[in-house]
Amino acid sequence: DVKVTQSSRYLVKRTGEKVFLECVQDMDHENMFWYRQDPGLGLRLIYFSYDVKMKEKGDIPEGYSVSREKKERFSLILESASTNQTSMYLCASSFREDTDTQYFGPGTRLTVL
Amino acid sequence: DQQVKQNSPSLSVQEGRISILNCDYTNSMFDYFLWYKKYPAEGPTFLISISSIKDKNEDGRFTVFLNKSAKHLSLHIVPSQPGDSAVYFCAASGATGGFKTIFGAGTRLFVKA
Repeated sequence: DVKVTQSSRYLVKRTGEKVFLECVQDMDHENMFWYRQDPGLGLRLIYFSYDVKMKEKGDIPEGYSVSREKKERFSLILESASTNQTSMYLCASSFREDTDTQYFGPGTRLTVL
Repeated sequence: DQQVKQNSPSLSVQEGRISILNCDYTNSMFDYFLWYKKYPAEGPTFLISISSIKDKNEDGRFTVFLNKSAKHLSLHIVPSQPGDSAVYFCAASGATGGFKTIFGAGTRLFVKA
């Protein structure tokens, strides 16, 4: 059974803080993704990675960075959190050949005060 | 500019009846379409997909129809069950999208017992 876990279900941070969101998958997937989900906007891709140390910008990368030092782990970093980054953050993974069938973690609801 | 649109934020259906969830897209280069289902406090899970070479794909109670000329797809659930109550996301991808799967805003389905 595929499992994608995210380090926190709920997180509250202050404006200007550096925030780390961690994601781990146990299916040996090559691809990993970070999305944010906002009402009325659906899931928007922030960054994705198709291999260790490789990353590609998604549709809304501004204000975010990522790190993939190991195949199973993909981290999302908010260098200086802002209130407009309050959102639900979803991590996903997939096999290299099937980028569309993605397995999602439960999400982290981040509130920036 | 949303390339994948789900114009109904919510839908309410009686148990045993048919649920029809609609999705429109604007990019004619999309060639693969998916539906994901999301329960509260869980990440989305893949439900069903369809390639642009087909106009229908069926999996048990779930059928997806694709009308390429109208750039429209729909998900039919027959018969609807209370356990189907969830948010349904339509998604699309294509050769020009690279690794990107574009998600709609979601439709919340309520199935009343």
